[in-house]
Amino acid sequence: DAMVIQNPRYQVTQFGKPVTLSCSQTLNHNVMYWYQQKSSQAPKLLFHYYDKDFNNEADTPDNFQSRRPNTSFCFLDIRSPGLGDAAMYLCATTGGATNEKLFFGSGTQLSVL
Amino acid sequence: AQKITQTQPGMFVQEKEAVTLDCTYDTSDPSYGLFWYKQPSSGEMIFLIYQGSYDQQNATEGRYSLNFQKARKSANLVISASQLGDSAMYFCAMRYGGSQGNLIFGKGTKLSVKP
Repeated sequence: DAMVIQNPRYQVTQFGKPVTLSCSQTLNHNVMYWYQQKSSQAPKLLFHYYDKDFNNEADTPDNFQSRRPNTSFCFLDIRSPGLGDAAMYLCATTGGATNEKLFFGSGTQLSVL
Repeated sequence: AQKITQTQPGMFVQEKEAVTLDCTYDTSDPSYGLFWYKQPSSGEMIFLIYQGSYDQQNATEGRYSLNFQKARKSANLVISASQLGDSAMYFCAMRYGGSQGNLIFGKGTKLSVKP
C-alpha cells in the first residue's frame, strides 16, 4: 500500500490560474518536503515542514506557498502558474532523524498551458 | 554552504559488470547522512542505500555498496553485476541540519546498461 500519496498524478492548469497539489502520508512522519523536478534535472527543494514549523528555501519564489493543516496532509499552492513552473512536483516524508530515509510519493506532473 | 556534486552526467556499463557512480559532498555539519536514490523513467524515487557520517564501515545493500571516504568527502555508489533493469537516473543526496534539516540532491548520473 502506498504510504505517501500525491494527487493528482497529472495536473493541467492555465497560465495564471491558481492550482493546488496535495500530498498525504500514513507514516505519521514529522517532516514533509516539497521538491520541484524539471526534466532531466535534480529535484530542487522548495520548502519543508517539521511538524508545523515551516522552512522556506531562500530561492523559492513567492508564487509558491504551502499549508500543512495536520500531520497527514500537506498542500502546495501555486498562486499564478507560469510556463516555467511546469515540472514534476515530489512530496517526501521522513521521521526526522538524520539517518532516516525519505519516502517519496509518485509525484504530480504539472503542465501549464 | 552544503553541496552535492555528481560529475558524471551519463555512464555506460556492460550487463553483469560492476560500475561506480561518483559523488562528492561538502558540509560544515559534523552530523550528516548520505543517500543514493534511483529514479527510473516512470519517475518514482527508489531508496537504495544510506551512509551516516559517523558510520565506521561502508554500507552495503545487496548489489549496492557505498564507498565512503570521509576525508575526501566522497560517497561513491558501486553497483555489482549490473542488470538491464538498473538503467535509470541515480541521485546522490545529503541530509544535514539535524532532525529539522534538509535533504539536497546532486544533479544525477544517467546509467545505461548494455546487453
